[in-house]
Amino acid sequence: RKEVEQDPGPFNVPEGATVAFNCTYSNSASQSFFWYRQDCRKEPKLLMSVYSSGNEDGRFTAQLNRASQYISLLIRDSKLSDSATYLCVVRYNFNKFYFGSGTKLNVKP
Amino acid sequence: GAVVSQHPSWVICKSGTSVKIECRSLDFQATTMFWYRQFPKQSLMLMATSNEGSKATYEQGVEKDKFLINHASLTLSTLTVTSAHPEDSSFYICSAQRGGQSSYNEQFFGPGTRLTVL
Repeated sequence: RKEVEQDPGPFNVPEGATVAFNCTYSNSASQSFFWYRQDCRKEPKLLMSVYSSGNEDGRFTAQLNRASQYISLLIRDSKLSDSATYLCVVRYNFNKFYFGSGTKLNVKP
Repeated sequence: GAVVSQHPSWVICKSGTSVKIECRSLDFQATTMFWYRQFPKQSLMLMATSNEGSKATYEQGVEKDKFLINHASLTLSTLTVTSAHPEDSSFYICSAQRGGQSSYNEQFFGPGTRLTVL
């Protein structure tokens, strides 16, 4: 079983739509959670960390559910520039980071 | 923000040659750096964790004699792909983590090195 699992998509949504991604993780000892964004043939860039109480950054909201071992990312009012692959990253211990395979989002005009 | 550079950004080499990739943290000290490999349409796979001044820790299935890692200073880690073969062609990405053990330490990624072995 993979450490981190994501629906690969693609999610095709119109501009202005709200879209949500989920990610599940297998290790209950996981300590930190992140969403990264990766554009085609580029390196991943941190979108936001995910805190236990949930957190919001502009149009982006991240939630953590430790009991069910999943995290989510909600994007409101989608922009064309949001088109990318979104990577769920889970850390346990100090140095073990595990990446999901990514969820591809296509925002259409 | 923190900046991580990689050099070269792309390289084409013949089968059997060795290729060295450098990863530098430009404006912070990185006690830990990570090396990942990403095949097309797949996720990043952690190859090894590089700690300054000590031996790298390799993930299961990664040959340490083939992928030599040196983390000689707090701002530089190198990955050498020895005797490269076409199956080693991939996108190699490094990341650097600032010092300290905060559980929310994020990783800062380099721009990646695209290796093509002919």
